[in-house]
Amino acid sequence: GENVEQHPSTLSVQEGDSAVIKCTYSDSASNYFPWYKQELGKGPQLIIDIRSNVGEKKDQRIAVTLNKTAKHFSLHITETQPEDSAVYFCAASRTTSYDKVIFGPGTSLSVIP
Amino acid sequence: GAGVSQTPSNKVTEKGKYVELRCDPISGHTALYWYRQSLGQGPEFLIYFQGTGAADDSGLPNDRFFAVRPEGSVSTLKIQRTERGDSAVYLCASSFSLAANSYNEQFFGPGTRLTVL
Repeated sequence: GENVEQHPSTLSVQEGDSAVIKCTYSDSASNYFPWYKQELGKGPQLIIDIRSNVGEKKDQRIAVTLNKTAKHFSLHITETQPEDSAVYFCAASRTTSYDKVIFGPGTSLSVIP
Repeated sequence: GAGVSQTPSNKVTEKGKYVELRCDPISGHTALYWYRQSLGQGPEFLIYFQGTGAADDSGLPNDRFFAVRPEGSVSTLKIQRTERGDSAVYLCASSFSLAANSYNEQFFGPGTRLTVL
């Protein structure tokens, strides 16, 4: 079945350093890859996404890369700040008839001031 | 309201009881999703509604779980004969579905934390 793997499960960085989270997916028909940030007691919130026809996308301090051949995609956060501390989920989806999203297990990011 | 709301925020019940969890989607959103999130895991898809109909209920774990959306807006997830293993956060999301082959952002509610004793 469809599966998304994610690592590391926990990540601790010093404020100002970069953080990288990597994911792999199994469904070769996946063509949409969103990333979500979840803070304690809240639902996941979309922070950035990438479609299969694009290899890289950047939004201020956040960038995502996609390698469809290897079925890998990554999230890069530069100049980390304490408010970046949260759980991050990668996900994969097929944009066919609807938007069923398969989530990875999550990465708990701690940014140490 | 500004976002997806879910009630109750917390629900504690005893094994064997029946529970209902409610989701109010963003006004105008035609698509509604239920997910279950166990501790330390990502959300796991349960069921998807397009309007009033359940378009995909393949994620429901067994026949104790059922969901409805009678008027195409509010949805209720119903769990019969609850078991301790049902304890989790139940998340609801909604989106404004456009044409096929276009992804529409899902907006999540804060979830209902269900604890089965």
